[in-house]
Amino acid sequence: NAGVTQTPKFRVLKTGQSMTLLCAQDMNHEYMYWYRQDPGMGLRLIHYSVGEGTTAKGEVPDGYNVSRLKKQNFLLGLESAAPSQTSVYFCASSYGSGTEAFFGQGTRLTVV
Amino acid sequence: SQQGEEDPQALSIQEGENATMNCSYKTSINNLQWYRQNSGRGLVHLILIRSNEREKHSGRLRVTLDTSKKSSSLLITASRAADTASYFCEIPQGGSQGNLIFGKGTKLSVKP
Repeated sequence: NAGVTQTPKFRVLKTGQSMTLLCAQDMNHEYMYWYRQDPGMGLRLIHYSVGEGTTAKGEVPDGYNVSRLKKQNFLLGLESAAPSQTSVYFCASSYGSGTEAFFGQGTRLTVV
Repeated sequence: SQQGEEDPQALSIQEGENATMNCSYKTSINNLQWYRQNSGRGLVHLILIRSNEREKHSGRLRVTLDTSKKSSSLLITASRAADTASYFCEIPQGGSQGNLIFGKGTKLSVKP
């Protein structure tokens, strides 16, 4: 039982490049979330999903897209990376609102 | 949607002392959760307290909830250097809303 796994753990991108971050959970959770965390800041919600095939915008969705084609996976895409997207990205999952959320180990992304 | 606001933003204590941090919110809630984040890692769930509970314990953690004041407190007794982390409260949005929002947290430093 791995919990929540993020791939990759580290990545360096050049401005304008695209990439996809993968979040996988093996707990049969309905809800999944993507966050970014900048130095000295809390977590800011980018997008979230309340079930397979659904996605919704969070607090800071601009410049990101997501897909939830399978219940266990939640993908975060950057179509044209910008230096402002340099951050640590966290994925999380939960059974539903008001239940314990489980977090991945984070992806450290640097855009140069 | 609402997020909890943690106070203080930073707290520095000596090992063995107690640490108290607070969370305030604006509208009525069903429950409230506390999480811990060690530096650079994903958040870890600590405790959930329901709106009909006034106090809850888990090991050296004690959480109180005052719904009339719309506030919760997390007390860590006999703190250890390993308690050094950021602590966040989370207010579930309820219903079918899936956004899991966090405040900026309280950064606790426990000096040996």
